Amino acid sequence: EVQLLESGGSSVQPGGSLSLSCAASGFIFNVFAMSWVRQAPGKGPEWVASIRGNAGRTFYADSVQGRFTISRDNSRSTVSLHMSALRPDDAAVYYCVRHWDIPIFEYWGQGTLVTVSS
Amino acid sequence: EVVLTQSPDTLSVSPGESPTLSCRASQSVSTSLAWYQQKPGQRPRPLIYGASTRATGVPARFRGSGSGTEFTLTISSLQSEDFAVYYCQQYYSWPLTLGGGTRVEIK
Repeated sequence: EVQLLESGGSSVQPGGSLSLSCAASGFIFNVFAMSWVRQAPGKGPEWVASIRGNAGRTFYADSVQGRFTISRDNSRSTVSLHMSALRPDDAAVYYCVRHWDIPIFEYWGQGTLVTVSS
Repeated sequence: EVVLTQSPDTLSVSPGESPTLSCRASQSVSTSLAWYQQKPGQRPRPLIYGASTRATGVPARFRGSGSGTEFTLTISSLQSEDFAVYYCQQYYSWPLTLGGGTRVEIK
């Protein structure tokens, strides 16, 4: 059974940094690309970042480019999102999502909540 | 960036009716379009990809169609468990984008 378990969400002040992690199990991790998708309260999902299975290529939304970094550790079946210079509009539930190289969001984790407030 | 515009924002539907949801892209995405369903308090669930292919386990009453810039999701004979918010997503080009959603509510 595919499982994606996010962690690391918390409350942080504007301008602060935070790292999210997603532990994957139930599949051959390095075969799949992984993404982070966020959803602010009452809003629709917004794609944030993606990383290919071999960790060779990454993609970012314009809204987070230069502030967020996606990475993965295939030996530990984990994908991370390091977020810096956080802004109030970064506040959301952050989902870890599995997909093939074609980014159809196949499996979603349960999400972890990030709050940005002073 | 491809902008996806979904309409209407909300559909009020009675069980048994067959609503059609629309997703319009600001430029052609060929058939690289997916649909997701999200119920309150739950994560999104994939319904359709490739504009018209149902994901594993999705009932046949969900039908996607379209190509280029115009797409529709039709739910035949709406069931009580189908009341939810539906989102479209394009994966034709980066950055990936999603529509604002259509809420299907009980009339």
